[in-house]
Amino acid sequence: GESVGLHLPTLSVQEGDNSIINCAYSNSASDYFIWYKQESGKGPQFIIDIRSNMDKRQGQRVTVLLNKTVKHLSLQIAATQPGDSAVYFCAENSQNSGGSNYKLTFGKGTLLTVNP
Amino acid sequence: EPEVTQTPSHQVTQMGQEVILRCVPISNHLYFYWYRQILGQKVEFLVSFYNNEISEKSEIFDDQFSVERPDGSNFTLKIRSTKLEDSAMYFCASSDQGWTEAFFGQGTRLTVV
Repeated sequence: GESVGLHLPTLSVQEGDNSIINCAYSNSASDYFIWYKQESGKGPQFIIDIRSNMDKRQGQRVTVLLNKTVKHLSLQIAATQPGDSAVYFCAENSQNSGGSNYKLTFGKGTLLTVNP
Repeated sequence: EPEVTQTPSHQVTQMGQEVILRCVPISNHLYFYWYRQILGQKVEFLVSFYNNEISEKSEIFDDQFSVERPDGSNFTLKIRSTKLEDSAMYFCASSDQGWTEAFFGQGTRLTVV
């Protein structure tokens, strides 16, 4: 079946350090992955996405790496700031056999705490 | 910037009562979703909606749940007879295409007492 999981439930870093959050997925047919940030009491906020035809994608201070061989996804945050403190979820966008229905399967989440 | 809006932000209801959670997706989006998140847990898929019908639903989305798009802007989730275990944050999301990122609302916190 489909599942998306995270290796580390919590991560604590010092302000200015780089953060790496990891995620494993099991559905080899998945072709689109998204990282979301969720602050307390708010909805998931899109950070960055990557499609399966790519290995790496960079945004502003964030980079997502995709290793399809081992079905692993990571989010790198450069120069982590206190405002980056949140729960980070990886999500796998899959479609059914008909090819028309999409849904996101979320991982368990990693709590990132940035210490000043 | 366009956003998904949800009302109410918090709903308290008695067990057995019906609740309707409301969402206004981003206006040019075609795919609509409901997810829920029990406190401290991951976000779980409930249902997807496209072309005025349910595209897919999870095991959680049983006969007590229904969705509706009554007009061109609103998308609602109804729970007919709430149970204690329905207490959770309910998130509405929309995307312009199914294979693009989904944008989430701020959620409705449902508390069943």
